[in-house]
Amino acid sequence: DGGITQSPKYLFRKEGQNVTLSCEQNLNHDAMYWYRQDPGQGLRLIYYSQIVNDFQKGDIAEGYSVSREKKESFPLTVTSAQKNPTAFYLCASSAITGVSGANVLTFGAGSRLTVL
Amino acid sequence: GQQLNQSPQSMFIQEGEDVSMNCTSSSIFNTWLWYKQDPGEGPVLLIALYKAGELTSNGRLTAQFGITRKDSFLNISASIPSDVGIYFCAGTASKLTFGTGTRLQVTL
Repeated sequence: DGGITQSPKYLFRKEGQNVTLSCEQNLNHDAMYWYRQDPGQGLRLIYYSQIVNDFQKGDIAEGYSVSREKKESFPLTVTSAQKNPTAFYLCASSAITGVSGANVLTFGAGSRLTVL
Repeated sequence: GQQLNQSPQSMFIQEGEDVSMNCTSSSIFNTWLWYKQDPGEGPVLLIALYKAGELTSNGRLTAQFGITRKDSFLNISASIPSDVGIYFCAGTASKLTFGTGTRLQVTL
């Protein structure tokens, strides 16, 4: 079945360490996204990519980095510069690449990062 | 920037009751989407709306794209325990914006 796979599901990190969250999709979608979810808040966009080897900052990109070397993969690195990294991270993809229009997103199951 | 107000923030209802929630925007949207998120999982698309005035059903769920294009409603009829979760609206204008979610809890 087609879908989005995020790993790991749970991750613990010490302060000062970089961590990388994996996101792989086999939906043949062009666009991929990373969102951050905190309790009581909506989903906030970190980065998105509409095509291989290209990506744009979202609303809260500071302290994060991404790469898009393959269409299927969009890993997110949470760097030590991110001041409050404990959160639930969601990866998504869509078939429509325009920033306007019907961006119907398919989400992965999420990765929960906890900083100790 | 675009803002989405989703209400209510949370609901406690009894099994069998009908549920209504809504989202309002400060600007006109071209598309409205409704997602449900189970605890510890990613959101799953319930209904997508593409035209003002559109009314779409998915089983016990019904959603409407407001005539003004600034609001949308989701109704759940005859709620059951598995309806528990967080329901998000999302709208697209220049970009996709998510509401803050409605947390639904169903008691037996």
